[in-house]
Amino acid sequence: QQQVKQSPQSLIVQKGGISIINCAYENTAFDYFPWYQQFPGKGPALLIAIRPDVSEKKEGRFTISFNKSAKQFSLHIMDSQPGDSATYFCAASYGGYQKVTFGIGTKLQVIP
Amino acid sequence: GAVVSQHPSRVICKSGTSVKIECRSLDFQATTMFWYRQFPKQSLMLMATSNEGSKATYEQGVEKDKFLINHASLTLSTLTVTSAHPEDSSFYICSAIINGGRELFFGEGSRLTVL
Repeated sequence: QQQVKQSPQSLIVQKGGISIINCAYENTAFDYFPWYQQFPGKGPALLIAIRPDVSEKKEGRFTISFNKSAKQFSLHIMDSQPGDSATYFCAASYGGYQKVTFGIGTKLQVIP
Repeated sequence: GAVVSQHPSRVICKSGTSVKIECRSLDFQATTMFWYRQFPKQSLMLMATSNEGSKATYEQGVEKDKFLINHASLTLSTLTVTSAHPEDSSFYICSAIINGGRELFFGEGSRLTVL
């Protein structure tokens, strides 16, 4: 059972545009929602994370929007750059249970 | 940030041999480490949770006798793929959590190719 649904699976954005990736979860016990960035042949790296007590978190060009009632959260990449081309995974976990549930991933390509 | 080192990054072996992959937390102690397997263009599949000083907990469908995990110290976990076969070829990634933390720190991954 996929507990974190991620869309789209692939995304092409022009340089300078906004990239938007959406995720939805089912388990209301989740209380930590990170996003990971993975370049080909490398392990994932944490990009930004949010907890459900806030509706938005911004770090540089990256923003997470969180809608607790809808059980949805999204990643916005402003002013997308070719260097942002990577696969992005949303994830979720809950306290006391260290396993992290990952979305299926979104391959982002930013074209010049 | 915390660093997790994984070695080797690439390994090619013959069918029937065993391969060991090491995962080290370089600047922090990790009571718990995780091993993932990732197929091309797919998400990370959790294989097992490695706990220092105790037996690993394997996910459903993962053969514990094929994928041996040892977490002998607070900074080292190893994954041994025993009697490897071509279908075991994959990208294996480890991760670790700082005790009491929530963030996963990933290794660089190990590409296993079984001929």
